[in-house]
Amino acid sequence: GAGVSQSPSNKVTEKGKDVELRCDPISGHTALYWYRQRLGQGLEFLIYFQGNSAPDKSGLPSDRFSAERTGESVSTLTIQRTQQEDSAVYLCASSLLGQGVQPQHFGDGTRLSIL
Amino acid sequence: AQSVSQHNHHVILSEAASLELGCNYSYGGTVNLFWYVQYPGQHLQLLLKYFSGDPLVKGIKGFEAEFIKSKFSFNLRKPSVQWSDTAEYFCAVGVSGTYKYIFGTGTRLKVLA
Repeated sequence: GAGVSQSPSNKVTEKGKDVELRCDPISGHTALYWYRQRLGQGLEFLIYFQGNSAPDKSGLPSDRFSAERTGESVSTLTIQRTQQEDSAVYLCASSLLGQGVQPQHFGDGTRLSIL
Repeated sequence: AQSVSQHNHHVILSEAASLELGCNYSYGGTVNLFWYVQYPGQHLQLLLKYFSGDPLVKGIKGFEAEFIKSKFSFNLRKPSVQWSDTAEYFCAVGVSGTYKYIFGTGTRLKVLA
């Protein structure tokens, strides 16, 4: 079946512009995660959705970052006024439930480059 | 703070060599343990997982990992690596009863043919 789909796969934009990243999770997966992976570093947790609500937004690096999820399906991560330090691969993952027991299914990521 | 440490950032082996990648975590409660693999040009995928029971778990492609609770470790092993095992390997901890997953920084394995 279809896996987690992310778009765009690559995004190059100028500093100061806003970007929107999209994630289509596996159908039926109630838990959805966003991670950031900077070059040479591990996965940095950004935000978690249980259904359409985000009980923990503490991982978002700044108020320039926001995310939403609708219909217990698609999620968008928005970065406003991008900075060069936002350059990274942004990964989305989904799982059946977010209880620390379910393996996560990852998308291919969006590689964001800020010029 | 909860964390996951992977001691080796880069490993280079010849085919048929044995592999052991270290993973240690810091959390005193109940955890579930995972190894994920990312082959070149592909997305992260699950290699194996431990929830309970036999601390030696077997995964795909001949990989296994052993959970040693007293050492807070979950090392990944393979007796004989192949060129196709070239990939990046991530250890992760899922904190039971929460949504939290904590990932290590990854180990890049290169297997020479």
